[in-house]
Amino acid sequence: NAGVTQTPKFQVLKTGQSMTLQCAQDMNHNSMYWYQQDPGMGLRLIYYSASEGTTDKGEVPNGYNVSRLNKREFSLRLESAAPSQTSVYFCASSQTLRTGPTGELFFGEGSRLTVL
Amino acid sequence: AQSVTQPDIHITVSEGASLELRCNYSYGATPYLFWYVQSPGQGLQLLLKYFSGDTLVQGIKGFEAEFKRSQSSFNLRKPSVHWSDAAEYFCAGGYQKVTFGTGTKLQVIP
Repeated sequence: NAGVTQTPKFQVLKTGQSMTLQCAQDMNHNSMYWYQQDPGMGLRLIYYSASEGTTDKGEVPNGYNVSRLNKREFSLRLESAAPSQTSVYFCASSQTLRTGPTGELFFGEGSRLTVL
Repeated sequence: AQSVTQPDIHITVSEGASLELRCNYSYGATPYLFWYVQSPGQGLQLLLKYFSGDTLVQGIKGFEAEFKRSQSSFNLRKPSVHWSDAAEYFCAGGYQKVTFGTGTKLQVIP
């Protein structure tokens, strides 16, 4: 079982370059998330998609865009990378429960991005 | 803002000693709360979750957590810590928008 797959796992960019992080899940989950992890900051929510066709800003959306391409895929795009975006990015998915809230989050292995 | 707070950045315990990691939440209604663990260089693994019902929740690896509405807390406990428990622990909460605390790094000394 693949679970949540993120690509690429490592990427080095120069300031101003753009790139897209890809995420796909094979668990038929409704909700998908992008988090940023930096030492001492925990995981900060960038964007999330509660269901196919919807996306919402999280805690730190500036400098990022997302696309929920279909139920399986949720991509994160950096249009003009900055050194402050050097971080580890995690994609996650979950099944929205019948009563509305999200269930357990399943995480990808992370993508380590360095912006020079 | 709805959030969870972990007041302890770093905790050191002796192997075999008991452990309690603190988590406070700020939500208007009954929140949905989680504890995750992350070993160095690894992804996150769910330890336990609370949605409703019994306020004492059992998880994997011998961990438990107690939901206390009066104290707005969801503290993680373990009666006897093993060296392999050394990791970073994250409290998380939310409804559909799930946010995380800043984490508590646990060091276990022999």
